[in-house]
Amino acid sequence: DGGITQSPKYLFRKEGQNVTLSCEQNLNHDAMYWYRQDPGQGLRLIYYSQIVNDFQKGDIAEGYSVSREKKESFPLTVTSAQKNPTAFYLCASKSSGTGPSGNTIYFGEGSWLTVV
Amino acid sequence: QKEVEQDPGPLSVPEGAIVSLNCTYSNSAFQYFMWYRQYSRKGPELLMYTYSSGNKEDGRFTAQVDKSSKYISLFIRDSQPSDSATYLCAMRSSSASKIIFGSGTRLSIRP
Repeated sequence: DGGITQSPKYLFRKEGQNVTLSCEQNLNHDAMYWYRQDPGQGLRLIYYSQIVNDFQKGDIAEGYSVSREKKESFPLTVTSAQKNPTAFYLCASKSSGTGPSGNTIYFGEGSWLTVV
Repeated sequence: QKEVEQDPGPLSVPEGAIVSLNCTYSNSAFQYFMWYRQYSRKGPELLMYTYSSGNKEDGRFTAQVDKSSKYISLFIRDSQPSDSATYLCAMRSSSASKIIFGSGTRLSIRP
């Protein structure tokens, strides 16, 4: 089935450690996104990529890094510089077509990161 | 001021009631409007998509866009306990690559 796969679902990290969240999509979408969601709050954009080997900072990029070496993959690294990394992380993708398919994004199931 | 404002709720209604969820926005360039449903500890799923002004109906759900008032709504008829979730509005202009989300409204349907 086509979709977006995020792993791991749950992750615990010690303070000072970097951690990488995986996001893979088989929808053949050009654009991919990373959002952060804190309890009771909306989605905040971390990074997005519209094409392979290119990405842009979102609204809260500090303390995060990404890469886009393949169309299907857009991993997010939460670095030790991120002061408050405990959150729910959502990966999403969007096609570049016209109409609904080019204007809606589809989400993975999310990854819960807890810093202990 | 946020670009998109959405009442966080929580909103609690009895089963069978009509639910009205709303968002207001400030950017008149927004043309594409979406509603997402998010169950607890899950990723959001697309519920409705609307282009420009007007209504769109899909089963028990109706999405309404009033661009003159910069106001969008989602109506749920014959609400069911399974509709209990957080509902997020989202919108985008034709020239922007970013989609702007509301903060979400938490809805609870009481059996």
